[in-house]
Amino acid sequence: GAVVSQHPSRVICKSGTSVKIECRSLDFQATTMFWYRQFPKQSLMLMATSNEGSKATYEQGVEKDKFLINHASLTLSTLTVTSAHPEDSSFYICSVPLAGGQETQYFGPGTRLLVL
Amino acid sequence: GQNIDQPTEMTATEGAIVQINCTYQTSGFNGLFWYQQHAGEAPTFLSYNVLDGLEEKGRFSSFLSRSKGYSYLLLKELQMKDSASYLCAAMDSNYQLIWGAGTKLIIKP
Repeated sequence: GAVVSQHPSRVICKSGTSVKIECRSLDFQATTMFWYRQFPKQSLMLMATSNEGSKATYEQGVEKDKFLINHASLTLSTLTVTSAHPEDSSFYICSVPLAGGQETQYFGPGTRLLVL
Repeated sequence: GQNIDQPTEMTATEGAIVQINCTYQTSGFNGLFWYQQHAGEAPTFLSYNVLDGLEEKGRFSSFLSRSKGYSYLLLKELQMKDSASYLCAAMDSNYQLIWGAGTKLIIKP
């Protein structure tokens, strides 16, 4: 069965609104979760590392004030896209590492965001 | 800089064999991953190589040559369900994954 779930699977929103995406680790506690973004026909891009109980670590070029990450519990991390614009339309995927790093990670099913 | 190269698209026939190549340049190296990604879905893990040589896992095999910065994924007895994108990813010295853009594999009957 699924190890990681994401909600919603698809979301359409108007430009300027905020969208929250949830990532849940179903089978084990996760002090770390990864958030990726994938544009059509492009590679996965790591956006940030979500850390339980502390601030997320953002990759270079990712606006932390636009992509708010909250990792309030050992099983839930949320990514909020604030003031979404059409260029934020993408496939957002979270993953839960088995041992803290990217060597073995379970991917969530992804959330497809379309901003009109 | 760090870079992953793999073909954009390949076409093969059902029942045949296909080899998807990947070359990489990273700062340090801690392994090479292959993932399968069906359209609209998240990637699923296929293989991990950190030592030179061929690793076979059912119909799928993965090969690594660290000296050449080269890997390939070999798919045998192709089935229609194998139509997907295949992502190559190399792990650098900081244990960060550098992802390729993926190879879209089209299987024809």
